[in-house]
Amino acid sequence: DSGVTQTPKHLITATGQRVTLRCSPRSGDLSVYWYQQSLDQGLQFLIQYYNGEERAKGNILERFSAQQFPDLHSELNLSSLELGDSALYFCASSASGGAADGYTFGSGTRLTVV
Amino acid sequence: GQNIDQPTEMTATEGAIVQINCTYQTSGFNGLFWYQQHAGEAPTFLSYNVLDGLEEKGRFSSFLSRSKGYSYLLLKELQMKDSASYLCAAPNQAGTALIFGKGTTLSVSS
Repeated sequence: DSGVTQTPKHLITATGQRVTLRCSPRSGDLSVYWYQQSLDQGLQFLIQYYNGEERAKGNILERFSAQQFPDLHSELNLSSLELGDSALYFCASSASGGAADGYTFGSGTRLTVV
Repeated sequence: GQNIDQPTEMTATEGAIVQINCTYQTSGFNGLFWYQQHAGEAPTFLSYNVLDGLEEKGRFSSFLSRSKGYSYLLLKELQMKDSASYLCAAPNQAGTALIFGKGTTLSVSS
């Protein structure tokens, strides 16, 4: 157990729907990062939050949004889902807002859009 | 911009040594990471190099040459459980997030 908790582990939903993925960072970590991993792609950085504030944005679609709450857990909202959104979504956390500290990853949420 | 390249696939046999290369181009440099990822699982941290040279950690070692924009991960005494994807990663220009290569899938056979 890495200490980073992601729920749910699996999610199957239909095109056009909206889902919410949840992440609780490791105790003491202030930064949360979201990544998408498709079959043919590497880990694609989506967005980072640090202590409740958005810190950095990567290749996140406008249909996707995220937030970090006062208790530091984070949620990734995916709307108007398309078949191509099927992927593994990972959350990672780190103590500070700097990537040079390295990350601890959660076990991921596998999203299947049918 | 930022670009990280590594071979897509490699194969090796149990007990052998394998070297997985990574070349990177970054606007700034804040170190280079290697992660291991078994199929369908979370990536796990292997190593971090910020200075030139070789860092050894058990059966795994990682090398960095900043002037050449080059790193490699060396795996010795390969075991079947080492079959996994190995991801090379570097911080983005702002130093706020890790950018990953597409990963090298290593298959170890007996």
